[in-house]
Amino acid sequence: KAGVTQTPRYLIKTRGQQVTLSCSPISGHRSVSWYQQTPGQGLQFLFEYFSETQRNKGNFPGRFSGRQFSNSRSEMNVSTLELGDSALYLCASSLAPARGTYNEQFFGPGTRLTVL
Amino acid sequence: KQEVTQIPAALSVPEGENLVLNCSFTDSAIYNLQWFRQDPGKGLTSLLLIQSSQREQTSGRLNASLDKSSGRSTLYIAASQPGDSATYLCAVGGNNRLAFGKGNQVVVIP
Repeated sequence: KAGVTQTPRYLIKTRGQQVTLSCSPISGHRSVSWYQQTPGQGLQFLFEYFSETQRNKGNFPGRFSGRQFSNSRSEMNVSTLELGDSALYLCASSLAPARGTYNEQFFGPGTRLTVL
Repeated sequence: KQEVTQIPAALSVPEGENLVLNCSFTDSAIYNLQWFRQDPGKGLTSLLLIQSSQREQTSGRLNASLDKSSGRSTLYIAASQPGDSATYLCAVGGNNRLAFGKGNQVVVIP
């Protein structure tokens, strides 16, 4: 079974631009979560989607948004990029249990975003 | 808010020694705990998942324990090898999200 895939793997943007990252979950997984990893803050939760609905959101500004499609693929968008948005963005998928429980998360290779 | 701590941030061990990595968390109301491995510039590889009702999980040379009441988990790696050099991350699952520690960067010296 193919793992979680993320595209593109590397991106270079300039301040003020916007960017869209894509994530394809493991076949049969309906929950997709996004995380930001930086050297200073470590891994931080951005948001989680299930059945095309955002179920949970971390503490990030509104410039960070996402969506999920009917085939469970997900995209995240960052508008008006800032230097501090430079990070590794990781996507994780899991089988989606009922709300209030939590399944094993499987991560993709990440997208390395550099903002100049 | 769940806080996850991993100490020390970095450690080196000679090949063949057993590795012991510690993780502590502040809120015991968790659903599970996952240990991950991350190689430089790469994504996360899941090593072990312990459900909140379990005390430990084992896979090959790896063993992880969980003590919810004290907010602690320990990852044991037996007979370490140079290929075990990586960053090991502890993540606590709850509220449809994972809360991560900042990791233990491990170097196994041949």
